[in-house]
Amino acid sequence: QVHLQESGPGLVKPSGTLSLTCSVSGGSVTSGTYHWSWIRQTPGKGLEWIGQIVYRGSTSYNPSLKSRVTISIDTSKNQFSLKLTSLTAADTAVYYCAREVPAATYFFDNWGQGTLVTVSS
Amino acid sequence: EVVLTQSPATLSLSPGERATLSCRASQTISSYLAWYQQKPGQAPRLLISDTSNRATGTPARFSGSGSGTDFTLTISSLQPEDFAVYYCQQRAGWPLFGPGTKLEIK
Repeated sequence: QVHLQESGPGLVKPSGTLSLTCSVSGGSVTSGTYHWSWIRQTPGKGLEWIGQIVYRGSTSYNPSLKSRVTISIDTSKNQFSLKLTSLTAADTAVYYCAREVPAATYFFDNWGQGTLVTVSS
Repeated sequence: EVVLTQSPATLSLSPGERATLSCRASQTISSYLAWYQQKPGQAPRLLISDTSNRATGTPARFSGSGSGTDFTLTISSLQPEDFAVYYCQQRAGWPLFGPGTKLEIK
């Protein structure tokens, strides 16, 4: 069973940059079968997909966040990462990394436990 | 813009009862949909993929159906551990989630 674990600071300042890493165990990010995604959850907007990466480095992002998001992958560490810039209080959320299965539905079959990121001075 | 709507927002039932949760897309995106269960303090957990395929570990009392714009998650006989929030999800260019249905104990 693959296990995903988010790590990174829980408090970041407005206008700053959020940096999170997802460590994958029990599976490999180099598997061409899966996509590796970031999803966030807020009480107001619910679950929001941020973006994804596949092991060759191809990325796609939510259009509403695209100008501020970068997702990268480190195959040597079996990790993938999220950077979100120009933060505001609206970016306060629980951030999840997840594995997406590109089947008929494109569903997320494994999730990290989530990490709360608060944007505040 | 495609939107997923879930109804009801809150469903109050007793253990042993049947639960029917609805997810509607604002336009036909796909014939396929996924359902997730989320309990407080936990990440969402995949229950059903491709409209009706139970994920590993999903009890048989959970079933999914639907097509086009209307999809349903049915729990045949509620167990105490089933009271949670349920989300539907499709992919329309990018993954979209519904707002959720909270299933609470009556």
